Amino acid sequence: EIVMTQSPATLSVSPGARATLSCRASQSISTNVAWYQQKPGQVPRLLIYAASTRATGIPARFSGSGSGTEFTLTISSLQSEDFAVYYCHQYDGWPRESFGQGTKLEIK
Amino acid sequence: EVHLVESGGGLVQPGRSLRLSCAASGFTFDEFALHWVRQAPGKGLEWVSSISWNSGKIGYADSVKGRFIISRDNAKNSLFLQMNSLRPDDTAFYYCAKDMFLGGHSPFESWGQGTLVIVS
Repeated sequence: EIVMTQSPATLSVSPGARATLSCRASQSISTNVAWYQQKPGQVPRLLIYAASTRATGIPARFSGSGSGTEFTLTISSLQSEDFAVYYCHQYDGWPRESFGQGTKLEIK
Repeated sequence: EVHLVESGGGLVQPGRSLRLSCAASGFTFDEFALHWVRQAPGKGLEWVSSISWNSGKIGYADSVKGRFIISRDNAKNSLFLQMNSLRPDDTAFYYCAKDMFLGGHSPFESWGQGTLVIVS
């Protein structure tokens, strides 16, 4: 089983600032990782796949990087609507997949 | 437009069974892998199970292996999750999700709104 570990659990950032979220895999997963955003009462929304490709309609301020075991989601200039919980997801282990435990991005 | 609609949730006693369904539309159902993901109230996402387009590949999380069975009926555009020997820690919203790409190894492009299972 591939374990995904996200850090930090909570990140406090001011609007307009940059946010950097991390995700580590317990074994190499190439670039088979996605990032999702979830707001209260909503279903997860796909932001990034293949580690660095933005999904359709996702603003350019969201970017992803990494390969192997270390991955990063960066939000370059935080907007009010970006404060949410973010999850990484590995699909390299298909049909056994896994999510990180989430990072809550809150307003500082 | 892709639509995934889960049903079958509810209140169930520990040790009993429940069968969830996910009705799909808006895409060629028998071409894509599908998944169940759950989320306990106030907690994070937990992958539960996946099934390939032809049911030839199936995977389960360790927490449900031996108790849950995933299946699909391509003729009826439906995904199922048979949940047996339910425990209180199975309490969660259960979402079905669709792959973005064919063949597995894909992010989850679309999600249903979820169905709530309460084991108590």
